[in-house]
Amino acid sequence: QVQLQESGPGLVKPSQTLSLTCTVSGDSITSKNYWWTWVRQPAGKGLEWIGRIYASGTTNYNPSLRSRVAISLDTSKNQFSLEVTSVTAADTAVYYCAAWEVALADWGRGTLVTVSS
Amino acid sequence: SYELTQPPSVSVSPGQTASIPCSGVQLGDKFIYWYQQRPGHSPVLVIYQDNKRPSGIPERFSGSNSENIATLTISGTQAVDEADYFCQAWDGSTYVFGPGTKLTVL
Repeated sequence: QVQLQESGPGLVKPSQTLSLTCTVSGDSITSKNYWWTWVRQPAGKGLEWIGRIYASGTTNYNPSLRSRVAISLDTSKNQFSLEVTSVTAADTAVYYCAAWEVALADWGRGTLVTVSS
Repeated sequence: SYELTQPPSVSVSPGQTASIPCSGVQLGDKFIYWYQQRPGHSPVLVIYQDNKRPSGIPERFSGSNSENIATLTISGTQAVDEADYFCQAWDGSTYVFGPGTKLTVL
């Protein structure tokens, strides 16, 4: 079991880049056990998978977001990060980081990001 | 892209059995996962790989998956089980979530 905590700006202007960080404790970010994952949820709506990254740096992204999303590792800080470029109001959501071992068993508390001028 | 379908809502009386379906093409060929989400909280994994319960999840939660339908079953439903439930599958390149089912215990 790992613990995860999201951090980053709660307000982003349209057309700018959304950047979030997930700090992991309880295991190393380089552990071969996990896929480090981002999921988002607009208010009152369902869960949307954004993408994931493995210790090797291999990534998978939601095809609907692939052109605007990047996930990366920072092994020195035991963190992984999310960037979403050219944001619009449709990107307003609670963003969760999570860890997939055999399932998404460990989740952060989520952080609300609002896209507004 | 692969899609999962869930009914928007299911109602159940306390103590009765709740069944929440999740359908998809040849869903039985994939592993299905179920997450519970109470208002204002992060999702919690309640079933993984079709029918396995994580540590700490009550025995009243069970799952099945066959052909085109997976089902989350809650036996002896309690008021604390009232929440949104999301099914999820891996289609080989992406995680896919169902739209979610609101379980009402009344």
